[in-house]
Amino acid sequence: AQTVTQSQPEMSVQEAETVTLSCTYDTSESDYYLFWYKQPPSRQMILVIRQEAYKQQNATENRFSVNFQKAAKSFSLKISDSQLGDAAMYFCAYRSPPGGGADGLTFGKGTHLIIQP
Amino acid sequence: GAVVSQHPSWVICKSGTSVKIECRSLDFQATTMFWYRQFPKQSLMLMATSNEGSKATYEQGVEKDKFLINHASLTLSTLTVTSAHPEDSSFYICSAPKQGGGYGYTFGSGTRLTVV
Repeated sequence: AQTVTQSQPEMSVQEAETVTLSCTYDTSESDYYLFWYKQPPSRQMILVIRQEAYKQQNATENRFSVNFQKAAKSFSLKISDSQLGDAAMYFCAYRSPPGGGADGLTFGKGTHLIIQP
Repeated sequence: GAVVSQHPSWVICKSGTSVKIECRSLDFQATTMFWYRQFPKQSLMLMATSNEGSKATYEQGVEKDKFLINHASLTLSTLTVTSAHPEDSSFYICSAPKQGGGYGYTFGSGTRLTVV
């Protein structure tokens, strides 16, 4: 079974600064997908960024980027120019490839991101 | 596009009663729906996977008879918590794979269940 570990229960960053959230995972599969989701107080899950394991290039979405290290099984999220609206719980998630069994997501325990004005 | 509507957003019920949570795909056909449970300040845990026209698949440790899942049509999946107890109080979220290729998901807005 796959596991996802987020070792930072809480992180705090000054507005406009950069913060990196850590995520490691364990899997025996060679192909898979990784996600970062944001859950604000409304509890609606919002996709931040995603990465296919077969792609070496790190995904980027505006101020959000990842550092995907497949050999190390690491998938960190970097948020640049932090904004007050970025404050939320952030979950790292893993998905097996289609046909590889369960297609549901395995989530980490989450990191509570606080933005200091 | 690819919206999943989840209702109710919150519900309070008495111990021993049953509660039904609905998830509808509004603009696409969801052949599969994932049901997650999230305790306060904790992560989302996959409970079960429903597939239209077939039996749901439950994760280890999830009671099939307590959490009844029905996926009777391509646009509706329901989760019924039967004989609810206070320990069933939680946040329940449904999610469907996005259509048109890719590998993303769309999530419902969640249901906060409180059993008193």
